[in-house]
Amino acid sequence: KQEVTQIPAALSVPEGENLVLNCSFTDSAIYNLQWFRQDPGKGLTSLLLIQSSQREQTSGRLNASLDKSSGRSTLYIAASQPGDSATYLCAVRLNYGQNFVFGPGTRLSVLP
Amino acid sequence: DAGITQSPRHKVTETGTPVTLRCHQTENHRYMYWYRQDPGHGLRLIHYSYGVKDTDKGEVSDGYSVSRSKTEDFLLTLESATSSQTSVYFCAISSTNTEAFFGQGTRLTVV
Repeated sequence: KQEVTQIPAALSVPEGENLVLNCSFTDSAIYNLQWFRQDPGKGLTSLLLIQSSQREQTSGRLNASLDKSSGRSTLYIAASQPGDSATYLCAVRLNYGQNFVFGPGTRLSVLP
Repeated sequence: DAGITQSPRHKVTETGTPVTLRCHQTENHRYMYWYRQDPGHGLRLIHYSYGVKDTDKGEVSDGYSVSRSKTEDFLLTLESATSSQTSVYFCAISSTNTEAFFGQGTRLTVV
Protein backbone atom coordinates (compact mmCIF):
# COMPACT_ATOMS: atom_id res chain seq x y z
CA LYS A 1 0.00 0.00 0.00
CA GLN A 2 1.33 3.40 -0.99
CA GLU A 3 2.05 5.71 1.93
CA VAL A 4 3.02 9.35 1.68
CA THR A 5 4.69 11.37 4.41
CA GLN A 6 5.65 15.02 4.63
CA ILE A 7 8.30 16.68 6.72
CA PRO A 8 8.13 18.99 8.56
CA ALA A 9 4.55 18.96 9.78
CA ALA A 10 4.74 22.69 10.45
CA LEU A 11 7.21 25.43 9.61
CA SER A 12 7.45 29.08 10.59
CA VAL A 13 9.90 31.35 8.78
CA PRO A 14 10.50 35.09 8.44
CA GLU A 15 9.57 36.76 5.19
CA GLY A 16 12.20 36.55 2.48
CA GLU A 17 13.63 33.17 3.42
CA ASN A 18 14.05 30.36 0.94
CA LEU A 19 12.58 27.11 2.17
CA VAL A 20 12.20 23.44 1.30
CA LEU A 21 9.26 21.16 1.96
CA ASN A 22 9.75 17.41 1.76
CA CYS A 23 7.52 14.60 0.55
CA SER A 24 8.32 10.88 0.67
CA PHE A 25 6.43 7.92 -0.77
CA THR A 26 6.94 4.21 -0.27
CA ASP A 27 6.20 2.79 -3.74
CA SER A 28 8.04 4.22 -6.73
CA ALA A 29 5.44 2.90 -9.21
CA ILE A 30 3.67 6.21 -9.68
CA TYR A 31 2.23 8.05 -12.66
CA ASN A 32 3.06 11.49 -11.38
CA LEU A 33 3.31 13.66 -8.28
CA GLN A 34 1.40 16.86 -7.66
CA TRP A 35 1.87 19.63 -5.13
CA PHE A 36 -1.14 21.52 -3.81
CA ARG A 37 -1.76 24.46 -1.59
CA GLN A 38 -4.74 24.67 0.79
CA ASP A 39 -5.82 27.82 2.59
CA PRO A 40 -7.92 27.45 5.75
CA GLY A 41 -11.51 26.49 4.96
CA LYS A 42 -10.80 26.31 1.24
CA GLY A 43 -10.28 23.72 -1.44
CA LEU A 44 -6.97 22.54 -2.86
CA THR A 45 -5.17 24.61 -5.46
CA SER A 46 -2.79 22.84 -7.81
CA LEU A 47 0.74 24.25 -7.78
CA LEU A 48 2.92 21.90 -9.79
CA LEU A 49 2.62 18.55 -11.52
CA ILE A 50 5.70 16.39 -12.14
CA GLN A 51 5.38 13.42 -14.44
CA SER A 52 7.19 10.24 -13.41
CA SER A 53 9.70 10.71 -16.25
CA GLN A 54 10.58 14.26 -15.18
CA ARG A 55 13.07 15.46 -12.61
CA GLU A 56 11.68 18.91 -11.85
CA GLN A 57 9.11 21.55 -12.64
CA THR A 58 9.17 25.28 -12.05
CA SER A 59 6.47 27.89 -11.72
CA GLY A 60 7.47 31.37 -10.64
CA ARG A 61 9.09 31.17 -7.20
CA LEU A 62 8.24 27.49 -6.87
CA ASN A 63 10.41 24.59 -7.95
CA ALA A 64 9.51 20.96 -7.39
CA SER A 65 11.87 18.05 -7.87
CA LEU A 66 11.20 14.33 -8.10
CA ASP A 67 13.53 11.41 -7.41
CA LYS A 68 11.26 8.49 -8.12
CA SER A 69 13.81 5.79 -7.37
CA SER A 70 14.34 7.06 -3.84
CA GLY A 71 10.68 7.95 -3.32
CA ARG A 72 11.23 11.65 -2.67
CA SER A 73 10.04 15.02 -3.84
CA THR A 74 10.87 18.49 -2.62
CA LEU A 75 9.08 21.78 -3.05
CA TYR A 76 11.40 24.77 -2.98
CA ILE A 77 9.88 28.19 -2.32
CA ALA A 78 12.13 31.15 -3.03
CA ALA A 79 11.88 34.49 -1.28
CA SER A 80 8.89 33.52 0.83
CA GLN A 81 6.07 36.02 1.41
CA PRO A 82 3.28 36.20 4.02
CA GLY A 83 0.84 35.30 1.26
CA ASP A 84 2.57 31.92 0.97
CA SER A 85 1.19 30.96 4.38
CA ALA A 86 -0.97 27.87 3.86
CA THR A 87 -0.87 24.10 4.11
CA TYR A 88 1.09 22.39 1.35
CA LEU A 89 0.11 18.89 0.31
CA CYS A 90 1.81 16.44 -1.99
CA ALA A 91 -0.05 13.64 -3.73
CA VAL A 92 1.16 10.71 -5.80
CA ARG A 93 -0.95 9.29 -8.57
CA LEU A 94 -1.03 5.53 -8.65
CA ASN A 95 -0.48 3.46 -11.75
CA TYR A 96 -3.49 1.34 -10.88
CA GLY A 97 -6.84 3.13 -10.79
CA GLN A 98 -5.34 6.57 -11.42
CA ASN A 99 -6.08 7.48 -7.80
CA PHE A 100 -4.21 9.98 -5.68
CA VAL A 101 -2.69 9.26 -2.29
CA PHE A 102 -2.07 12.34 -0.20
CA GLY A 103 0.49 13.22 2.40
CA PRO A 104 -0.65 14.84 5.67
CA GLY A 105 0.63 18.26 4.64
CA THR A 106 3.08 20.86 5.90
CA ARG A 107 1.56 23.94 7.54
CA LEU A 108 3.66 26.95 6.57
CA SER A 109 3.60 30.32 8.28
CA VAL A 110 5.60 33.18 6.78
CA LEU A 111 5.97 36.01 9.24
CA PRO A 112 6.15 39.63 8.06
CA ASP B 1 -9.99 27.69 -12.55
CA ALA B 2 -11.22 24.28 -13.58
CA GLY B 3 -14.98 24.08 -13.92
CA ILE B 4 -15.95 22.01 -10.92
CA THR B 5 -18.82 22.79 -8.59
CA GLN B 6 -19.91 21.06 -5.42
CA SER B 7 -23.35 21.38 -3.89
CA PRO B 8 -24.41 22.02 -1.27
CA ARG B 9 -21.47 23.86 0.29
CA HIS B 10 -22.77 23.36 3.81
CA LYS B 11 -25.27 20.91 5.23
CA VAL B 12 -26.49 19.89 8.66
CA THR B 13 -28.43 16.67 8.83
CA GLU B 14 -29.73 14.28 11.44
CA THR B 15 -28.37 10.85 12.22
CA GLY B 16 -30.04 8.15 10.16
CA THR B 17 -31.13 10.35 7.26
CA PRO B 18 -29.84 9.85 3.71
CA VAL B 19 -27.75 12.63 2.23
CA THR B 20 -26.63 13.22 -1.34
CA LEU B 21 -23.76 15.47 -2.34
CA ARG B 22 -23.30 16.54 -5.94
CA CYS B 23 -20.20 17.23 -7.97
CA HIS B 24 -20.58 18.84 -11.38
CA GLN B 25 -17.82 19.43 -13.92
CA THR B 26 -17.72 21.30 -17.20
CA GLU B 27 -14.28 20.02 -18.26
CA ASN B 28 -15.25 16.62 -19.72
CA HIS B 29 -12.63 14.88 -17.58
CA ARG B 30 -12.78 11.11 -17.41
CA TYR B 31 -11.97 10.64 -13.74
CA MET B 32 -13.96 11.96 -10.81
CA TYR B 33 -13.20 11.40 -7.14
CA TRP B 34 -14.75 11.88 -3.74
CA TYR B 35 -12.43 12.48 -0.79
CA ARG B 36 -13.08 13.32 2.81
CA GLN B 37 -10.76 15.45 4.90
CA ASP B 38 -10.54 15.05 8.65
CA PRO B 39 -8.06 16.40 11.21
CA GLY B 40 -5.42 13.80 11.89
CA HIS B 41 -6.38 11.72 8.86
CA GLY B 42 -5.78 14.03 5.96
CA LEU B 43 -7.49 13.39 2.64
CA ARG B 44 -8.86 9.89 2.15
CA LEU B 45 -10.46 8.46 -0.96
CA ILE B 46 -14.09 7.36 -0.64
CA HIS B 47 -15.02 6.36 -4.20
CA TYR B 48 -13.91 7.25 -7.67
CA SER B 49 -15.23 6.97 -11.21
CA TYR B 50 -13.31 6.23 -14.39
CA GLY B 51 -16.23 6.72 -16.76
CA VAL B 52 -20.00 6.87 -16.99
CA LYS B 53 -21.41 4.11 -14.78
CA ASP B 54 -17.87 2.94 -13.96
CA THR B 55 -17.03 3.37 -10.28
CA ASP B 56 -14.84 1.74 -7.68
CA LYS B 57 -14.26 1.89 -3.95
CA GLY B 58 -11.60 3.79 -2.12
CA GLU B 59 -10.15 3.17 1.31
CA VAL B 60 -13.09 4.55 3.32
CA SER B 61 -16.12 3.50 1.26
CA ASP B 62 -18.24 1.87 3.98
CA GLY B 63 -21.55 3.72 4.41
CA TYR B 64 -21.21 5.56 1.09
CA SER B 65 -22.43 4.90 -2.42
CA VAL B 66 -21.89 6.78 -5.66
CA SER B 67 -23.43 7.12 -9.06
CA ARG B 68 -22.31 8.61 -12.34
CA SER B 69 -25.00 8.59 -15.01
CA LYS B 70 -23.47 11.46 -17.00
CA THR B 71 -19.87 12.50 -17.62
CA GLU B 72 -20.39 15.78 -15.82
CA ASP B 73 -22.07 14.60 -12.60
CA PHE B 74 -20.80 12.42 -9.77
CA LEU B 75 -23.10 11.91 -6.79
CA LEU B 76 -22.08 10.77 -3.33
CA THR B 77 -24.81 9.32 -1.11
CA LEU B 78 -24.59 8.66 2.58
CA GLU B 79 -27.17 5.95 2.93
CA SER B 80 -27.86 6.55 6.63
CA ALA B 81 -25.77 9.37 8.00
CA THR B 82 -23.79 8.82 11.20
CA SER B 83 -21.82 11.26 13.35
CA SER B 84 -18.58 9.68 12.14
CA GLN B 85 -19.41 10.99 8.67
CA THR B 86 -19.20 14.58 9.84
CA SER B 87 -16.41 15.87 7.65
CA VAL B 88 -15.42 18.07 4.77
CA TYR B 89 -16.01 16.36 1.45
CA PHE B 90 -14.05 17.22 -1.66
CA CYS B 91 -14.69 16.28 -5.24
CA ALA B 92 -11.83 16.16 -7.73
CA ILE B 93 -11.56 15.71 -11.48
CA SER B 94 -8.76 14.64 -13.75
CA SER B 95 -7.92 13.11 -17.08
CA THR B 96 -5.33 10.38 -17.64
CA ASN B 97 -1.99 11.45 -16.25
CA THR B 98 -2.94 15.11 -15.94
CA GLU B 99 -3.45 17.48 -13.04
CA ALA B 100 -6.22 16.92 -10.56
CA PHE B 101 -8.50 19.84 -9.79
CA PHE B 102 -10.54 20.10 -6.65
CA GLY B 103 -13.87 21.64 -5.80
CA GLN B 104 -14.34 24.03 -2.89
CA GLY B 105 -15.66 21.35 -0.58
CA THR B 106 -18.87 20.52 1.26
CA ARG B 107 -18.92 20.84 5.02
CA LEU B 108 -21.29 18.18 6.36
CA THR B 109 -22.37 18.01 9.97
CA VAL B 110 -24.36 15.03 11.23
CA VAL B 111 -26.14 15.72 14.53
